[in-house]
Amino acid sequence: GNSVTQMEGPVTLSEEAFLTINCTYTATGYPSLFWYVQYPGEGLQLLLKATKADDKGSNKGFEATYRKETTSFHLEKGSVQVSDSAVYFCALSVNAGSTLGRLYFGRGTQLTVWP
Amino acid sequence: NAGVTQTPKFQVLKTGQSMTLQCAQDMNHEYMSWYRQDPGMGLRLIHYSVGAGITDQGEVPNGYNVSRSTTEDFPLRLLSAAPSQTSVYFCASSKQGAVQPQHFGDGTRLSIL
Repeated sequence: GNSVTQMEGPVTLSEEAFLTINCTYTATGYPSLFWYVQYPGEGLQLLLKATKADDKGSNKGFEATYRKETTSFHLEKGSVQVSDSAVYFCALSVNAGSTLGRLYFGRGTQLTVWP
Repeated sequence: NAGVTQTPKFQVLKTGQSMTLQCAQDMNHEYMSWYRQDPGMGLRLIHYSVGAGITDQGEVPNGYNVSRSTTEDFPLRLLSAAPSQTSVYFCASSKQGAVQPQHFGDGTRLSIL
């Protein structure tokens, strides 16, 4: 089946620290991969995406590379800021058959950045 | 530029009551979906629609009904509310399908007593 497993939180970092949030997936087809971010009291927003193997998605200093060989899509940022404090969700979609209309989300990782 | 609008933002119900959560988008998106978010569970798909007149079940559809009479609106109905339906509900839309980036509303926080 299709599923996403991401690193359990919460993650607490100091400002300017390096961030990695691990995400691995299983998929029956050839998935597209996403990272969404949820700031307090808001809905989810797309942070970045990758649609094929070895693609690197990037946005706001965050990066993630689609690794088919390890079925992973880890999120990284070289220097986090207080404003990055949020919940981060890894997700996949597979555009085939009965799963045409579905996104599969991981459980989310709470990130808190202290000044 | 409204995007996806959900109403109400907060609601408290008693067990057995019914209600409708509203979702509207002004981007002419074909694909719309409803999720519930519970602590430690991520987002779980309730129902989705790939266009007006077409709906399908997601991962946790029991206790919820949907309809899609127009492209813009995708209401979620709770027929007989239960405490297990206490959650935060999010509506999302995209131009075509789940493979495209989703636009989310700000959510409805629902408590069932």
